[in-house]
Amino acid sequence: AQSVTQLDSQVPVFEEAPVELRCNYSSSVSVYLFWYVQYPNQGLQLLLKYLSGSTLVKGINGFEAEFNKSQTSFHLRKPSVHISDTAEYFCAVSKSGGSYIPTFGRGTSLIVHP
Amino acid sequence: DGGITQSPKYLFRKEGQNVTLSCEQNLNHDAMYWYRQDPGQGLRLIYYSQIVNDFQKGDIAEGYSVSREKKESFPLTVTSAQKNPTAFYLCASNSDSLSNQPQHFGDGTRLSIL
Repeated sequence: AQSVTQLDSQVPVFEEAPVELRCNYSSSVSVYLFWYVQYPNQGLQLLLKYLSGSTLVKGINGFEAEFNKSQTSFHLRKPSVHISDTAEYFCAVSKSGGSYIPTFGRGTSLIVHP
Repeated sequence: DGGITQSPKYLFRKEGQNVTLSCEQNLNHDAMYWYRQDPGQGLRLIYYSQIVNDFQKGDIAEGYSVSREKKESFPLTVTSAQKNPTAFYLCASNSDSLSNQPQHFGDGTRLSIL
Protein backbone atom coordinates (compact mmCIF):
# COMPACT_ATOMS: atom_id res chain seq x y z
CA ALA A 1 0.00 0.00 0.00
CA GLN A 2 1.12 3.55 -0.62
CA SER A 3 1.51 6.22 2.05
CA VAL A 4 1.95 9.98 2.06
CA THR A 5 3.78 12.18 4.54
CA GLN A 6 3.36 15.92 4.64
CA LEU A 7 6.27 17.00 6.72
CA ASP A 8 4.87 20.28 8.04
CA SER A 9 1.48 20.62 9.69
CA GLN A 10 1.68 24.41 9.53
CA VAL A 11 3.74 26.82 7.44
CA PRO A 12 3.61 30.54 8.30
CA VAL A 13 4.99 32.94 5.70
CA PHE A 14 4.83 36.64 4.91
CA GLU A 15 3.03 37.95 1.86
CA GLU A 16 5.14 38.03 -1.34
CA ALA A 17 7.66 35.56 0.12
CA PRO A 18 8.32 32.20 -1.57
CA VAL A 19 6.94 29.03 -0.05
CA GLU A 20 7.55 25.29 -0.30
CA LEU A 21 5.15 22.68 1.09
CA ARG A 22 6.78 19.29 1.40
CA CYS A 23 5.31 15.92 0.46
CA ASN A 24 7.00 12.53 0.52
CA TYR A 25 5.41 9.25 -0.50
CA SER A 26 6.20 5.58 -0.33
CA SER A 27 5.07 3.00 -2.84
CA SER A 28 6.47 -0.17 -4.33
CA VAL A 29 5.02 0.67 -7.75
CA SER A 30 4.72 3.71 -10.00
CA VAL A 31 2.38 6.38 -8.74
CA TYR A 32 0.27 9.32 -9.75
CA LEU A 33 0.55 12.42 -7.55
CA PHE A 34 -1.83 15.27 -6.78
CA TRP A 35 -1.98 18.48 -4.77
CA TYR A 36 -5.34 19.82 -3.62
CA VAL A 37 -6.25 23.07 -1.84
CA GLN A 38 -9.05 23.48 0.69
CA TYR A 39 -10.38 26.88 1.73
CA PRO A 40 -12.30 27.13 5.05
CA ASN A 41 -15.59 25.23 5.08
CA GLN A 42 -15.22 24.15 1.47
CA GLY A 43 -14.30 20.98 -0.38
CA LEU A 44 -10.96 20.25 -2.01
CA GLN A 45 -9.95 21.72 -5.38
CA LEU A 46 -7.29 20.24 -7.61
CA LEU A 47 -4.18 22.43 -7.86
CA LEU A 48 -2.05 20.20 -10.06
CA LYS A 49 -1.26 16.58 -10.90
CA TYR A 50 1.67 14.50 -12.05
CA LEU A 51 0.75 11.56 -14.28
CA SER A 52 3.85 11.12 -16.46
CA GLY A 53 6.30 13.09 -18.58
CA SER A 54 7.94 16.30 -17.40
CA THR A 55 8.75 16.18 -13.71
CA LEU A 56 7.97 19.88 -13.27
CA VAL A 57 4.24 20.37 -13.17
CA LYS A 58 2.53 23.75 -13.29
CA GLY A 59 -0.88 24.25 -11.72
CA ILE A 60 -3.42 26.93 -11.04
CA ASN A 61 -2.84 30.11 -9.01
CA GLY A 62 0.89 30.18 -9.80
CA PHE A 63 1.74 26.94 -7.99
CA GLU A 64 4.11 24.33 -9.32
CA ALA A 65 5.48 21.01 -8.06
CA GLU A 66 8.41 18.82 -8.95
CA PHE A 67 8.30 15.04 -8.99
CA ASN A 68 11.55 13.55 -7.72
CA LYS A 69 11.50 9.78 -8.07
CA SER A 70 14.82 9.16 -6.33
CA GLN A 71 13.76 11.24 -3.33
CA THR A 72 10.13 9.99 -3.54
CA SER A 73 9.00 13.57 -3.15
CA PHE A 74 6.48 15.91 -4.75
CA HIS A 75 7.02 19.30 -3.11
CA LEU A 76 4.71 22.22 -3.90
CA ARG A 77 6.18 25.68 -4.50
CA LYS A 78 5.08 29.21 -5.20
CA PRO A 79 7.59 32.04 -5.77
CA SER A 80 5.43 34.78 -4.21
CA VAL A 81 2.38 34.10 -2.04
CA HIS A 82 -0.71 36.23 -1.48
CA ILE A 83 -3.00 36.56 1.51
CA SER A 84 -5.60 34.66 -0.52
CA ASP A 85 -3.33 31.58 -0.59
CA THR A 86 -4.06 31.00 3.10
CA ALA A 87 -5.64 27.54 3.09
CA GLU A 88 -5.08 23.85 3.82
CA TYR A 89 -3.06 21.94 1.23
CA PHE A 90 -3.26 18.18 0.72
CA CYS A 91 -0.90 15.89 -1.15
CA ALA A 92 -2.39 12.65 -2.51
CA VAL A 93 -1.00 9.58 -4.26
CA SER A 94 -2.59 6.72 -6.15
CA LYS A 95 -1.02 3.62 -7.63
CA SER A 96 -0.46 3.39 -11.35
CA GLY A 97 -2.57 0.61 -12.81
CA GLY A 98 -3.91 -0.52 -9.48
CA SER A 99 -6.43 0.64 -6.93
CA TYR A 100 -7.75 4.01 -7.94
CA ILE A 101 -8.41 5.05 -4.36
CA PRO A 102 -5.98 7.86 -3.52
CA THR A 103 -4.22 8.12 -0.19
CA PHE A 104 -4.18 11.63 1.26
CA GLY A 105 -1.61 13.24 3.51
CA ARG A 106 -2.69 14.89 6.74
CA GLY A 107 -2.53 18.35 5.21
CA THR A 108 -0.39 21.47 5.62
CA SER A 109 -1.94 24.70 6.79
CA LEU A 110 -0.41 27.62 4.88
CA ILE A 111 -0.82 30.87 6.78
CA VAL A 112 0.13 34.02 4.89
CA HIS A 113 0.74 37.09 7.03
CA PRO A 114 0.56 40.67 5.70
CA ASP B 1 -22.00 24.02 -14.54
CA GLY B 2 -21.40 20.43 -13.52
CA GLY B 3 -20.46 19.63 -9.98
CA ILE B 4 -21.19 17.89 -6.71
CA THR B 5 -23.87 19.15 -4.36
CA GLN B 6 -23.85 18.19 -0.71
CA SER B 7 -26.71 18.99 1.64
CA PRO B 8 -27.31 20.17 4.21
CA LYS B 9 -24.27 22.33 4.89
CA TYR B 10 -24.75 21.99 8.66
CA LEU B 11 -26.48 19.14 10.48
CA PHE B 12 -27.12 18.36 14.11
CA ARG B 13 -27.73 14.90 15.52
CA LYS B 14 -29.42 13.93 18.74
CA GLU B 15 -28.41 10.89 20.78
CA GLY B 16 -29.69 7.66 19.28
CA GLN B 17 -30.67 9.30 16.01
CA ASN B 18 -29.72 8.30 12.48
CA VAL B 19 -29.04 11.14 10.05
CA THR B 20 -28.56 11.08 6.29
CA LEU B 21 -26.19 13.30 4.32
CA SER B 22 -27.03 13.90 0.69
CA CYS B 23 -24.57 13.85 -2.21
CA GLU B 24 -25.64 14.46 -5.81
CA GLN B 25 -23.41 14.83 -8.88
CA ASN B 26 -24.21 15.84 -12.46
CA LEU B 27 -20.75 15.06 -13.84
CA ASN B 28 -21.79 11.65 -15.17
CA HIS B 29 -19.09 10.07 -13.00
CA ASP B 30 -19.14 6.36 -12.25
CA ALA B 31 -17.16 6.41 -9.01
CA MET B 32 -18.24 8.19 -5.83
CA TYR B 33 -16.66 8.40 -2.39
CA TRP B 34 -17.36 9.54 1.16
CA TYR B 35 -14.60 10.93 3.38
CA ARG B 36 -14.51 12.05 6.97
CA GLN B 37 -12.24 14.96 7.85
CA ASP B 38 -11.08 15.67 11.40
CA PRO B 39 -8.57 18.41 12.31
CA GLY B 40 -5.00 17.27 11.74
CA GLN B 41 -6.03 13.85 10.40
CA GLY B 42 -6.51 14.53 6.73
CA LEU B 43 -9.20 12.65 4.83
CA ARG B 44 -10.25 9.15 5.84
CA LEU B 45 -12.28 6.99 3.46
CA ILE B 46 -15.66 5.78 4.76
CA TYR B 47 -17.26 4.11 1.72
CA TYR B 48 -16.87 4.17 -2.03
CA SER B 49 -18.87 3.01 -5.03
CA GLN B 50 -17.59 2.17 -8.50
CA ILE B 51 -20.97 1.60 -10.15
CA VAL B 52 -24.68 1.69 -9.38
CA ASN B 53 -25.88 -0.89 -6.84
CA ASP B 54 -22.34 -1.65 -5.70
CA PHE B 55 -20.26 -0.18 -2.89
CA GLN B 56 -17.32 -1.13 -0.68
CA LYS B 57 -16.22 -0.29 2.83
CA GLY B 58 -13.34 2.08 3.29
CA ASP B 59 -11.02 2.41 6.26
CA ILE B 60 -13.59 3.65 8.81
CA ALA B 61 -16.97 2.22 7.73
CA GLU B 62 -18.20 1.20 11.18
CA GLY B 63 -21.28 3.17 12.21
CA TYR B 64 -22.02 4.34 8.66
CA SER B 65 -24.13 3.01 5.77
CA VAL B 66 -24.58 4.01 2.12
CA SER B 67 -26.67 3.21 -0.94
CA ARG B 68 -26.12 3.72 -4.66
CA GLU B 69 -29.48 3.30 -6.37
CA LYS B 70 -28.79 5.96 -8.98
CA LYS B 71 -25.59 7.01 -10.71
CA GLU B 72 -26.06 10.61 -9.60
CA SER B 73 -26.68 9.96 -5.92
CA PHE B 74 -24.64 8.46 -3.06
CA PRO B 75 -26.26 9.26 0.32
CA LEU B 76 -24.45 8.54 3.58
CA THR B 77 -26.30 7.59 6.76
CA VAL B 78 -24.57 8.19 10.08
CA THR B 79 -26.15 5.68 12.43
CA SER B 80 -26.50 5.78 16.21
CA ALA B 81 -23.72 3.19 16.32
CA GLN B 82 -21.23 5.89 15.32
CA LYS B 83 -20.29 7.18 18.78
CA ASN B 84 -18.16 10.10 17.65
CA PRO B 85 -19.85 11.51 14.55
CA THR B 86 -18.80 15.15 14.94
CA ALA B 87 -16.73 15.88 11.83
CA PHE B 88 -16.69 17.46 8.38
CA TYR B 89 -17.96 15.02 5.73
CA LEU B 90 -16.86 15.29 2.12
CA CYS B 91 -18.32 13.57 -0.92
CA ALA B 92 -16.19 13.13 -4.04
CA SER B 93 -16.41 11.57 -7.47
CA ASN B 94 -14.25 10.77 -10.45
CA SER B 95 -14.97 9.64 -13.95
CA ASP B 96 -13.91 6.01 -13.86
CA SER B 97 -11.72 3.45 -12.22
CA LEU B 98 -8.49 4.68 -13.81
CA SER B 99 -6.27 5.83 -11.01
CA ASN B 100 -4.98 8.89 -12.87
CA GLN B 101 -8.28 10.72 -12.67
CA PRO B 102 -8.38 13.38 -9.94
CA GLN B 103 -11.38 13.55 -7.68
CA HIS B 104 -13.98 16.31 -7.68
CA PHE B 105 -15.30 17.32 -4.26
CA GLY B 106 -18.48 18.80 -2.86
CA ASP B 107 -18.41 21.61 -0.30
CA GLY B 108 -19.02 19.31 2.62
CA THR B 109 -21.48 18.82 5.45
CA ARG B 110 -20.50 19.68 9.02
CA LEU B 111 -22.16 17.32 11.49
CA SER B 112 -22.38 18.12 15.19
CA ILE B 113 -23.92 16.47 18.22
CA LEU B 114 -26.73 18.23 20.11
